Amino acid sequence: DTAVSQTPKYLVTQMGNDKSIKCEQNLGHDTMYWYKQDSKKFLKIMFSYNNKELIINETVPNRFSPKSPDKAHLNLHINSLELGDSAVYFCASSHLNDNEQFFGPGTRLTVL
Amino acid sequence: GENVEQHPSTLSVQEGDSAVIKCTYSDSASNYFPWYKQELGKGPQLIIDIRSNVGEKKDQRIAVTLNKTAKHFSLHITETQPEDSAVYFCAASRGILTGGGNKLTFGTGTQLKVEL
Repeated sequence: DTAVSQTPKYLVTQMGNDKSIKCEQNLGHDTMYWYKQDSKKFLKIMFSYNNKELIINETVPNRFSPKSPDKAHLNLHINSLELGDSAVYFCASSHLNDNEQFFGPGTRLTVL
Repeated sequence: GENVEQHPSTLSVQEGDSAVIKCTYSDSASNYFPWYKQELGKGPQLIIDIRSNVGEKKDQRIAVTLNKTAKHFSLHITETQPEDSAVYFCAASRGILTGGGNKLTFGTGTQLKVEL
């Protein structure tokens, strides 16, 4: 199936730990994004990468570090996890000059 | 920056009725307005979008209207069906950025419930 995939789907961890979420797309897109959806379902962009280069970086704590090894992958590493990091994280992708973004199924992160 | 407001937050309709969701935006430079549907446990899925040079767009039972002067746009779903039940998000952006990509600012979402 052509799609945006994320692993893991669920992630439960303790405060202070470091964790990573992986994202892969096989749609041939060259731009990828990370969004955070909070408990009230508010969806906000965090980062965007185009061809492994950062192009959007919203006001996100520097504990969050995206890494793009190639244009089909955009991983999100989070250091020193806090309770407020609990949310659903969505990866998305698009073509460089196309508005339409395709979203992955999300990763539900719970910090205890 | 852009601010998008969305109303109502919840909407309950009878099967076969129409549903309307409204959004307003603040950035007059925004020129791309997509609507996403998010089913429980899934990621948002684009259902229709409109660009600022168009006032209305229709795709089967779904239509979107845009009033640039008033800075508001609406989603219309006709002949609603139970499978239309989901959370709907509007969004706005200035379109493709220099360097690529598209920064979407989302509304707060509308939980639509279609009752039998």
